[in-house]
Amino acid sequence: ETGVTQTPRHLVMGMTNKKSLKCEQHLGHNAMYWYKQSAKKPLELMFVYNFKEQTENNSVPSRFSPECPNSSHLFLHLHTLQPEDSALYLCASSPTLTSSGELFFGEGSRLTVL
Amino acid sequence: AQSVAQPEDQVNVAEGNPLTVKCTYSVSGNPYLFWYVQYPNRGLQFLLKYITGDNLVKGSYGFEAEFNKSQTSFHLKKPSALVSDSALYFCAVRVPARGSTLGRLYFGRGTQLTVWP
Repeated sequence: ETGVTQTPRHLVMGMTNKKSLKCEQHLGHNAMYWYKQSAKKPLELMFVYNFKEQTENNSVPSRFSPECPNSSHLFLHLHTLQPEDSALYLCASSPTLTSSGELFFGEGSRLTVL
Repeated sequence: AQSVAQPEDQVNVAEGNPLTVKCTYSVSGNPYLFWYVQYPNRGLQFLLKYITGDNLVKGSYGFEAEFNKSQTSFHLKKPSALVSDSALYFCAVRVPARGSTLGRLYFGRGTQLTVWP
């Protein structure tokens, strides 16, 4: 248990569906992240939020829409995805963006797009 | 450009033997260095980090890593491997932010460690 909870753990959706991934952290951290992990590829940073404000969008397609209503919650809204978007989506948090502290990762949401 | 390299995609070692998982980096400034482990269908778990001070750092599950500034390396080691150590290992580097520069965390591609009984 890392203090970062992701739901759902598994999600199967069609290309026309709309779904959302949820991340919640109980660590009092101020920075939150979405990463994409695909087979045979390096971890890809998608979005970074610091004190609820988006500070980085790593050229992510608009079919992925993040939302950070407060420092404890982070969502990833999914719409009209493609099969190549199937991956493990990891949420992480850290005390701040610049701290020497490590990132705390959730268990991930395994997404399959049919 | 900042980068992290894990030159080996796979490392295989017999149980009881020492193991080394290599990591080299190329960043500007004084980096913070991290190792994470990932078991199948799980998130990344923090193992250890180097911030400053003693070049040899000890972490979870008997792992340690040695920071070598001249060789820009941060290799992960364990004196005696266990079958349960089999997992995917990631090296990561963070450069402390200056001004408007964000302290981004750069990950290596990962090294799959397999320990044979």
